[in-house]
Amino acid sequence: DTGVSQDPRHKITKRGQNVTFRCDPISEHNRLYWYRQTLGQGPEFLTYFQNEAQLEKSRLLSDRFSAERPKGSFSTLEIQRTEQGDSAMYLCASSLEGGRAQYFGPGTRLTVT
Amino acid sequence: AQSVTQLDSQVPVFEEAPVELRCNYSSSVSVYLFWYVQYPNQGLQLLLKYLSGSTLVKSINGFEAEFNKSQTSFHLRKPSVHISDTAEYFCAVSEGGNTGKLIFGQGTTLQVKP
Repeated sequence: DTGVSQDPRHKITKRGQNVTFRCDPISEHNRLYWYRQTLGQGPEFLTYFQNEAQLEKSRLLSDRFSAERPKGSFSTLEIQRTEQGDSAMYLCASSLEGGRAQYFGPGTRLTVT
Repeated sequence: AQSVTQLDSQVPVFEEAPVELRCNYSSSVSVYLFWYVQYPNQGLQLLLKYLSGSTLVKSINGFEAEFNKSQTSFHLRKPSVHISDTAEYFCAVSEGGNTGKLIFGQGTTLQVKP
């Protein structure tokens, strides 16, 4: 069990550029979640997948954000036309269906300049 | 709607002293409750969870939390803290529905002093 991995760990980009993050969940986990954490706050739910199906999206997820999980394995989160307000830690977590306990990756810290 | 309140943003404590980090939640349905710990520049690590059964749950490193339904609380305790326990602690709730999404509190910074 290698745990949840995320890539890259850090990303610095200029306002207006597009960025893509990757998450590899624990291999037998069906569910994959994305959260966003800003400084001094708890993580906030963005979206989740059951296998390859995206089943819920938060209102925080504007139309500049898109997430995919092709083939129900790894997931990508893309932010188009980044804004300074997108600067945050983006966390991925996975769980067994019905298992309830989510296991988090190390996160990708995004800085938009 | 669900919400989680962590009543203390910072808790300073001396090494080997006991500590309690407070967490209250609001929900109209049955819930699952979690404590996560976050070290600087790292992701969240699951510390302990309450899903059902015994209301007192324990972690392998000496932390425990008690689910109190009447007070809608899930406070975290440790009888004797170590310097290495210095970290950010997050309480989270998940409704007993199908999404499993977590609602987090704002976190409590535990500062253990020598």
